Amino acid sequence: SQQGEEDPQALSIQEGENATMNCSYKTSINNLQWYRQNSGRGLVHLILIRSNEREKHSGRLRVTLDTSKKSSSLLITASRAADTASYFCATALYSGAGSYQLTFGKGTKLSVIP
Amino acid sequence: EAQVTQNPRYLITVTGKKLTVTCSQNMNHEYMSWYRQDPGLGLRQIYYSMNVEVTDKGDVPEGYKVSRKEKRNFPLILESPSPNQTSLYFCASTSIGRASYEQYFGPGTRLTVT
Repeated sequence: SQQGEEDPQALSIQEGENATMNCSYKTSINNLQWYRQNSGRGLVHLILIRSNEREKHSGRLRVTLDTSKKSSSLLITASRAADTASYFCATALYSGAGSYQLTFGKGTKLSVIP
Repeated sequence: EAQVTQNPRYLITVTGKKLTVTCSQNMNHEYMSWYRQDPGLGLRQIYYSMNVEVTDKGDVPEGYKVSRKEKRNFPLILESPSPNQTSLYFCASTSIGRASYEQYFGPGTRLTVT
């Protein structure tokens, strides 16, 4: 079943502006990951935040996680045209009993206009 | 270079003709997974494998088979393809043992069933 749901579905901003994408999910998780996909190509891992973390940074990326609200946000600061891509959140649940599932949302399509 | 490879990259076939999409990783990852991506539906997991000879169904397993005889390979088999299996397929792998959880994706296989 689809776990993460991104919002908005599409986002168009000017170069230099910040882009914020949100992800909501329904059940408990071990970690939440964000991926990026350039048109029709494989996904690339951006950042992972564990369930006991609240905020994480990586370069121009900032991810927050609120497990009480079952939501996460990805902020891309000072966006560039090269950031144009689709962004997916994925929730991970590891039972330790031989089950690990990573469930993706439908993605946010970001367009950065030069 | 650490990578996940898939073959073929593009495939056009006819209904009912058995096909296999190969997936191979060179990172000694325990976990491998197959996803399909369709417009408006995001990525949906077909099957996953926690290790050699251990496979389990994902969210959309109907019409697909997998096998995991070797750690590096995880082929996806369509015994009798149908037009509703026309999609973009991705293989991915990750290390569960090192608890990194970051998934590495292959470049994708675009399948058309007529």
